[in-house]
Amino acid sequence: DIQMTQSPSSLSASVGDRVTITCQASQDISNYLNWYQQKPGKAPKLLIYDASNLETGVPSRFSGSGSGTDFTFTISSLQPEDIATYYCQQYAPWVTFGPGTKVDIK
Amino acid sequence: EVQLVQSGAEVKKPGESLKISCKGSGYSFTSYWIGWVRQMPGKGLEWMGIIYPGDSDTRYSPSFQGQVTISADKSISTAYLQWSSLKASDTAMYYCASNPRRGYNPSILAFDIWGQGTMVTVSS
Repeated sequence: DIQMTQSPSSLSASVGDRVTITCQASQDISNYLNWYQQKPGKAPKLLIYDASNLETGVPSRFSGSGSGTDFTFTISSLQPEDIATYYCQQYAPWVTFGPGTKVDIK
Repeated sequence: EVQLVQSGAEVKKPGESLKISCKGSGYSFTSYWIGWVRQMPGKGLEWMGIIYPGDSDTRYSPSFQGQVTISADKSISTAYLQWSSLKASDTAMYYCASNPRRGYNPSILAFDIWGQGTMVTVSS
């Protein structure tokens, strides 16, 4: 089973700050890595697929990078509506989610 | 509209059986995987398993193998998650999710549509 770790588990940042979350896989998963946003009481929403591809309709302040075992998710300028928990998810070949990173406004 | 609609909230007693559903519409239901995801209160997302309705190929997370059964009825575009004997620890929100926006690449398991979730409460 491929295990996923994320760091940090939570963070507080100011509006306009650059926010970075990392995700690490326990073995090489190529670029089979997606990122989701989940707001309280809502279903998750796909933001980034295959490590770096922005899902249609998702604001360009969200981006992803990485391959192999180490991946990064970035919000270039944090907005109040970005308050949520963010999860990475691998599918090499089947699915595992990371533990999540809760993002708050400072 | 491309969507997944799940069955309503359930309150059950330990030991009871349960089957919840997830109906797809607006896309080719048989051509894309449907996964089930558990979210216990205040906790993260856990992948339970996945089914390809076209041929019923089903895979389970090792954590859920033998604990639940995933199935699909392609004639009514509906996937199911069932338990034969519920425990209090099964209390959670359950989501179904699929990837129809991957177009000609259904092997890209990026879940771009999600059901609204079904809350299952197991209590004596």
